[in-house]
Amino acid sequence: GENVEQHPSTLSVQEGDSAVIKCTYSDSASNYFPWYKQELGKRPQLIIDIRSNVGEKKDQRIAVTLNKTAKHFSLHITETQPEDSAVYFCAASFRSRNFGNEKLTFGTGTRLTIIP
Amino acid sequence: EPEVTQTPSHQVTQMGQEVILRCVPISNHLYFYWYRQILGQKVEFLVSFYNNEISEKSEIFDDQFSVERPDGSNFTLKIRSTKLEDSAMYFCASSRDSGFYSNQPQHFGDGTRLSIL
Repeated sequence: GENVEQHPSTLSVQEGDSAVIKCTYSDSASNYFPWYKQELGKRPQLIIDIRSNVGEKKDQRIAVTLNKTAKHFSLHITETQPEDSAVYFCAASFRSRNFGNEKLTFGTGTRLTIIP
Repeated sequence: EPEVTQTPSHQVTQMGQEVILRCVPISNHLYFYWYRQILGQKVEFLVSFYNNEISEKSEIFDDQFSVERPDGSNFTLKIRSTKLEDSAMYFCASSRDSGFYSNQPQHFGDGTRLSIL
C-alpha cells in the first residue's frame, strides 16, 4: 500500500520568514495530494491540494510543488504569521477498487511554530 | 459554507461496551469516510462508503467495526466490544462525486473524541 513520509516533524520559523514542509510517497499511481492544517483539538482543514497533472499550485501565501519523477511534494508558506502555527499533514490518494472514491494516506505531520 | 457535523463531540465508554458515532455529511456529497487519529499521531484511514456499501477498508477496520447509512442524512460508525486501544479521535469526512479522472477534496468534521475506560 501507499506510504507517505513527512519532514520535518517540528519546524520553528521567525514571523515573516518562509516555511517549507516536504513529503515523499511510495505509490506511483497516487495522483492527488492535499495538505491539511490542524489546530489543537480541531478538524483537519484542507488548505491546498494538487493533482498529478500539474507541477505547482499557489493560493496567496501558500504554494505546493509536485515532482512526480522523484515522488515528492512540498508545501511552501511565505510571510508566515502567528496564526500559521499548527500541525500540517500532507496526504496522498490511493485509488480504491471503485473509481472516484479515493482514500487518503496521511504523513506523520509537522508541528509548525511561528515565533513572533 | 456547509460542514460535516459529528456527534457526540466526546464519548466516554467502559471497555467492552458498544458505541455508535454519528456523522452528517455535506448534503450533496456521495462519498463518506471514517478516519482515526490516536493522540499525537497521524490520521489513519478506516473505511470508505459509497452507494450504500463499503468501498474500501483498512486493516484496522476489523469485525469489531461496522458502518451504516440508516437514512438520507446520517452516516454512523459502530464499534462493538470496545477495547482500550480504541481510544482516539474519530473523524468523519465526505466528498463530492469525483468522476473518473478527477479527485474531489475530502471535508472533515470536528471529530468525536472516544475515551475507553
